[in-house]
Amino acid sequence: AQKITQTQPGMFVQEKEAVTLDCTYDTSDPSYGLFWYKQPSSGEMIFLIYQGSYDQQNATEGRYSLNFQKARKSANLVISASQLGDSAMYFCAMRVAGAAGNKLTFGGGTRVLVKP
Amino acid sequence: EAGVTQFPSHSVIEKGQTVTLRCDPISGHDNLYWYRRVMGKEIKFLLHFVKESKQDESGMPNNRFLAERTGGTYSTLKVQPAELEDSGVYFCASSQGNGYRVNEKLFFGSGTQLSVL
Repeated sequence: AQKITQTQPGMFVQEKEAVTLDCTYDTSDPSYGLFWYKQPSSGEMIFLIYQGSYDQQNATEGRYSLNFQKARKSANLVISASQLGDSAMYFCAMRVAGAAGNKLTFGGGTRVLVKP
Repeated sequence: EAGVTQFPSHSVIEKGQTVTLRCDPISGHDNLYWYRRVMGKEIKFLLHFVKESKQDESGMPNNRFLAERTGGTYSTLKVQPAELEDSGVYFCASSQGNGYRVNEKLFFGSGTQLSVL
């Protein structure tokens, strides 16, 4: 079975500073994908970034980067130069290959509040 | 291009009543998923449609939940009769591809907040 753990239920960050959101995962599958989603107050879950287990480089998408440490089974999201609009709930999720590959396993989420 | 839309955004019903949630996926997406987040818990998979067929309904909690996807377009999720523990946010998502690729991105809607009193 797969498991995603997000140990930070909530955090404050100062505008323009960087913030790291922790995510650790557990799976015995060698092939898997890791996703981060943002859920602002509007409710919609917005895809941010993806990292594949065989990717050699850490994924980056604009101000978002993923610090992927495979041996430690961690996939932390780094948001650089935080903006007020980054205040939201952030979810880490994983999908494995094979028969269970149609399901995303989610962590409990981290609520981020950006202070002006 | 329109995203995944869900209706209603909020629903408040009494225990024992029936509620039907609707999801319109992104046009052309064969895969449609329902997920649920019960208060204080993780978002959990409920089921997966490929076109009009139920590919996987292993996450459906019990037979009070019925999902349909007529003609492979929009989907409905009916809860009958609703119980207190059904309260939560119900998300719909859609994707292209075969539904099983590890890099297949899911596009989510804004969810339906269901409150059963």
